[in-house]
Amino acid sequence: KNEVEQSPQNLTAQEGEFITINCSYSVGISALHWLQQHPGGGIVSLFMLSSGKKKHGRLIATINIQEKHSSLHITASHPRDSAVYICAVPPYNTDKLIFGTGTRLQVFP
Amino acid sequence: GAGVSQSPSNKVTEKGKDVELRCDPISGHTALYWYRQSLGQGLEFLIYFQGNSAPDKSGLPSDRFSAERTGGSVSTLTIQRTQQEDSAVYLCASSRLAGGGWETQYFGPGTRLLVL
Repeated sequence: KNEVEQSPQNLTAQEGEFITINCSYSVGISALHWLQQHPGGGIVSLFMLSSGKKKHGRLIATINIQEKHSSLHITASHPRDSAVYICAVPPYNTDKLIFGTGTRLQVFP
Repeated sequence: GAGVSQSPSNKVTEKGKDVELRCDPISGHTALYWYRQSLGQGLEFLIYFQGNSAPDKSGLPSDRFSAERTGGSVSTLTIQRTQQEDSAVYLCASSRLAGGGWETQYFGPGTRLLVL
């Protein structure tokens, strides 16, 4: 069993829909990272969180440390949100990231 | 400011040859990471450098892989006697500090390696 599980693997949506991507992990962590990888391959860090909720524009990330679960939400999705979203965790007292397999999101106009 | 840069952007090599991949981290960043992304697979950790401490090499897949970081800045990942299964995108990232998982990592554009 992978230490970081994401669901769904693939997601298609119509523009404007509310999107949820889930991440569960089995290792002890201090923080969880959400990353975005665009079709060109570049990876950008979206969020790093250890409790509660963070919001940046139309993106919202939540985490429940006790349940070892995090969600990434996109409100009013847009075709430019089409990308692979990756959940990653650094085990306690390390900085190396263990990655989920990613969720490929396609938003159609 | 300048982000993380990697070179070359693409590398095609023959099986059995050695290759060197270079990473220039963001100036002042003390932590540097190497990851790889194989076709159709997720990202996996290879090695990371934290200031002057000994690097964490726990993700290197075999002794054909090695990396060094000179002067606390530029890093080179070397793959000796390349095999076809080494074909992947090799990504470098850096962070301001190594802080037990609390630091944002900034990724380079990657080097796409193809071993024929």
